[in-house]
Amino acid sequence: KNEVEQSPQNLTAQEGEFITINCSYSVGISALHWLQQHPGGGIVSLFMLSSGKKKHGRLIATINIQEKHSSLHITASHPRDSAVYICAVGEHDMRFGAGTRLTVKP
Amino acid sequence: KAGVTQTPRYLIKTRGQQVTLSCSPISGHRSVSWYQQTPGQGLQFLFEYFSETQRNKGNFPGRFSGRQFSNSRSEMNVSTLELGDSALYLCASSGGGISSYNEQFFGPGTRLTVL
Repeated sequence: KNEVEQSPQNLTAQEGEFITINCSYSVGISALHWLQQHPGGGIVSLFMLSSGKKKHGRLIATINIQEKHSSLHITASHPRDSAVYICAVGEHDMRFGAGTRLTVKP
Repeated sequence: KAGVTQTPRYLIKTRGQQVTLSCSPISGHRSVSWYQQTPGQGLQFLFEYFSETQRNKGNFPGRFSGRQFSNSRSEMNVSTLELGDSALYLCASSGGGISSYNEQFFGPGTRLTVL
């Protein structure tokens, strides 16, 4: 069993829909990251969380330390949100989930 | 502020050769981490350097090595290349301010193909 599990693996949504991606982890952590990877490979860090909730524009990330679970929400999804979203735990030695491939259709 | 840069962006090598990849972190960042991404294994941590010292190491064979220079630029080397080393190699830097000290900023990656 991987240390970091994400669901779903693939997600297709219509523009405007509310999207949730889930991440569960099995190890003690100091930080959890949500990353976005577009075709071509570039990775952007969306959030780094150690507790609670963070919001940036239409993106919201939450973490429940007791349940070892985090969620990434996208409100009012848009085709430009289409990307692979990756959950990772750790700081300088991240361990990654397999990623969720999101496709938002116009 | 300039972002993380990696050179070269693309590289083709043959089995048995060795390769050196370079990563220049964001100015002021002292930590550089290296990751390998393959379709089969996904993203995996290789090693992390901080102030010219290897601070963390992932589960990769000794053919994979790295170093960091006094200006925080880092190189990784893979010797005796195998077909399975074909991957996107990403580096990430961190360490720029109190509130975001450990947020990692990724470079564009070096895509290595081993023939």
